[in-house]
Amino acid sequence: DAMVIQNPRYQVTQFGKPVTLSCSQTLNHNVMYWYQQKSSQAPKLLFHYYDKDFNNEADTPDNFQSRRPNTSFCFLDIRSPGLGDAAMYLCATSRVWGEQFFGPGTRLTVL
Amino acid sequence: GIQVEQSPPDLILQEGANSTLRCNFSDSVNNLQWFHQNPWGQLINLFYIPSGTKQNGRLSATTVATERYSLLYISSSQTTDSGVYFCAGAGGSQGNLIFGKGTKLSVKP
Repeated sequence: DAMVIQNPRYQVTQFGKPVTLSCSQTLNHNVMYWYQQKSSQAPKLLFHYYDKDFNNEADTPDNFQSRRPNTSFCFLDIRSPGLGDAAMYLCATSRVWGEQFFGPGTRLTVL
Repeated sequence: GIQVEQSPPDLILQEGANSTLRCNFSDSVNNLQWFHQNPWGQLINLFYIPSGTKQNGRLSATTVATERYSLLYISSSQTTDSGVYFCAGAGGSQGNLIFGKGTKLSVKP
C-alpha cells in the first residue's frame, strides 16, 4: 500500500543533543510537509518542500532545519533541542496543493 | 490569513448517539479536510471536501463554501470513534493546512 512512513516512532534525546527525524513516502507526491504538534494543541506547519524548493514558515525557529535528498525522503533536523521542542512531529505529503496524507508521527522527548 | 474555528471543543456521547461537528473558515480557504486523530497521535484522513457532500459509512461531511462552513456527521457512534476531530483549511497559492483547535469526542459505552 502507498503510504507515508516515519522513523523512529519514539525518540528520546538530551537537551542540546542534535536529533534527526525521518520521513519517507511511496506516493510519489511533489510536496512534503513537516508539522509540529504540542500536547493538547493543533498541528502547526514548520516548513514544506515543493520538489526541491524549500519553504520555511516565518515563525519556525532557526533551530529547525530540513533536507530532502530525493522525492521519497525528507528529514527534520533539530540542531539543539530544548525542553520546549518536545512534541509530536508529523510528516505529510500531497500532490501539488491537494489532499494531504500524514504519517504516524514521531513523538520526541527531550530530557 | 486563513482562520479555522471548530465547535464544540468537547463532546460526550453515549454509544449509539448521533453528532454534528462544525467548522467555520475564512474567505481565503479553498481546500478543506477533516481528520480523526487516534489515541496514538496519527491523523487519519476522513474527508477531503472543498465543497459538496460526501459519505463514508457512518460518517458524512458537507461543505457549503459560499457560507464558509463545513459539518461532519457521525451516526450511531461507537467507542472507537473517540478521539480528536480536526478540520483544516488551505488556500491561496500554497497548500499549507491551517488547523482548527479540534473537537474532543468521548463516546461512552
